[in-house]
Parts: sequence; structure tokens; C-alpha cells
Amino acid sequence: DQQVKQNSPSLSVQEGRISILNCDYTNSMFDYFLWYKKYPAEGPTFLISISSIKDKNEDGRFTVFLNKSAKHLSLHIVPSQPGDSAVYFCAARALNSGGSNYKLTFGKGTLLTVNP
Amino acid sequence: KAGVTQTPRYLIKTRGQQVTLSCSPISGHRSVSWYQQTPGQGLQFLFEYFSETQRNKGNFPGRFSGRQFSNSRSEMNVSTLELGDSALYLCASSLGSTGYQETQYFGPGTRLLVL
Repeated sequence: DQQVKQNSPSLSVQEGRISILNCDYTNSMFDYFLWYKKYPAEGPTFLISISSIKDKNEDGRFTVFLNKSAKHLSLHIVPSQPGDSAVYFCAARALNSGGSNYKLTFGKGTLLTVNP
Repeated sequence: KAGVTQTPRYLIKTRGQQVTLSCSPISGHRSVSWYQQTPGQGLQFLFEYFSETQRNKGNFPGRFSGRQFSNSRSEMNVSTLELGDSALYLCASSLGSTGYQETQYFGPGTRLLVL
């Protein structure tokens, strides 16, 4: 049972345009969400996160939107650059009563290609 | 600050052997988590250690084990290797004590190939 889903395996956009990567989740206990970027042969690099008490978080060219009622989040990259070409993973964490749950549940990733 | 380091970066083993992977977290981080990445299953959580204690565990067989030392360095061991254990093994570290909204930072991974 896949609790975090990234339904688009790939996305191609032109340089300078907006990239929108989507993520859906099913577990209502998820309370904290993160996006990671991964290049081949490297570990995931943290991009941006959002808590469920917010609906938007912005950091430079990256903005994450959370729609808790729809169990949906999206990552917007504006403007997209060729160096943004990578696999993007959505990840979620569920709060437990002790606050000690550090397990991340990942989607399978979306390969973003930004064409010059 | 130095990032998360993992050794070795690449490893080739044969079925039935056992392997030990090492992870050194970011200085000051006390939580270390391990993940397995395969093309079919994506990134899957193995376990998390904090202060030398396993705090969380994923759905992997008992052949997968780990430990953490007093300096927060962690090792992961896989015994009786199977072909399906071929994967990228990633380690992530975080402070581990400020609550669930901490960010976890990943190392470059160890690529294990089982022949």
C-alpha cells in the first residue's frame, strides 16, 4: 500500500517556465512533508518542507503548497533552470505521541527535465 | 560543517555473504536513519537509531540489522545476502531530539551489488 504517491514519473519543461510537481498521500496521520532532489549517484538533497499547520512555504524559487483536505501537495519551481533537472521525491512523516517518529515515507519520485 | 559520510561507496558481494556499511552523521546529530533505494520500490525505511538505541524499524527481515555507537556513528549489517538486496543504501542524520519537524540530511549512499 503506497501511502505517498507521485503519479507523474517524469515531467519536461522549458527553461524559465514554471515546473509543478505533484504528490498525493493517503495517511491522515502525516503531519510534516518534505521535498528532496536527487542527482544520479548522489544522496537526496533537502529542498523545502511544510508543516500541516501551514498551506504554503516559500524559499527562493521553490514554493510548496499543501491542501490538507485533498491530501495533496505540490512543489512549484519558478523560474525553472537546466540545473534543476533531477529526480524529485516527496516525503512525509507522521507525528507520534512521543514526538520521536523520524521515519520518512517517500513517493517514487518524478524525473524533472528542464530544457534550455 | 561536514555532511553525512558513508563508506564504502561501492561494494560487490556474492549471495550468502554478509556486509557491513558505515555512516557518520553530521556533527551534533544524534539520530541516524537508514533507507534502501531500489528501482521498483523507491526509498524504503529500514530503521532509525538515537543514542545507541533503535527507535523505529521498517518492514525488513531480520537479516537487516544495525547499531549505533556512542559517537553517533552507525553501522548497518546485512547477513546471508540475496540478489534482491542489490540497492543503494542511504543514511540520513538529524538532531533527533527537537521533534518531528526536523530535517533529515542524507549521505551519498553505498551502492551494493550482490552477484
